[in-house]
Amino acid sequence: KQEVTQIPAALSVPEGENLVLNCSFTDSAIYNLQWFRQDPGKGLTSLLLIQSSQREQTSGRLNASLDKSSGRSTLYIAASQPGDSATYLCAVTQGGSEKLVFGKGTKLTVNP
Amino acid sequence: NAGVMQNPRHLVRRRGQEARLRCSPMKGHSHVYWYRQLPEEGLKFMVYLQKENIIDESGMPKERFSAEFPKEGPSILRIQQVVRGDSAAYFCASSPPERRTSGREPYNEQFFGPGTRLTVL
Repeated sequence: KQEVTQIPAALSVPEGENLVLNCSFTDSAIYNLQWFRQDPGKGLTSLLLIQSSQREQTSGRLNASLDKSSGRSTLYIAASQPGDSATYLCAVTQGGSEKLVFGKGTKLTVNP
Repeated sequence: NAGVMQNPRHLVRRRGQEARLRCSPMKGHSHVYWYRQLPEEGLKFMVYLQKENIIDESGMPKERFSAEFPKEGPSILRIQQVVRGDSAAYFCASSPPERRTSGREPYNEQFFGPGTRLTVL
């Protein structure tokens, strides 16, 4: 059974700092890995999707890497801003299944 | 192009009542997924549907819960005889019928709605 863990559960940083969020999964036979952002009381916004054959994806100040063999992914946020404050969720899919398996998320607070 | 729509956004029910949650997928999408987020828990998959078919219901509780995605109209998640433990945020996601291929594997991207927050009194 696939399990996804995100560390830390919460993170508070000053504005402008570069930061890394971690995600690990127990079964390395994944199809895709997605990073989402969830704002309080809102739905999920997809940030980056990495296929299992890829090593990383970049979008603006965000960079996600995937090390499938070790069961790890990181989300790097450069020059953080208060608007980045949200909960960041990591989720994986596996071959033969469409369902996403989520971690519990990292709650990020960027202080002005 | 409107995103995934869910209604109601907030729903209050008393124990024993029925709850009906609706999801309208993005235009052109024919795959719908339901997830539940319990307080202090991560999102958990419930069910995956295509038009008129349930493809994967491995995450659905065995009793009181049902889902449908008719040929016309929104997808409905129905909870009968609600209990306090059903209080949660219920999210719907949709994806297009075609599977994009980049590299060796086909893949989908799921687009999420804003959720319905169910409170059972």
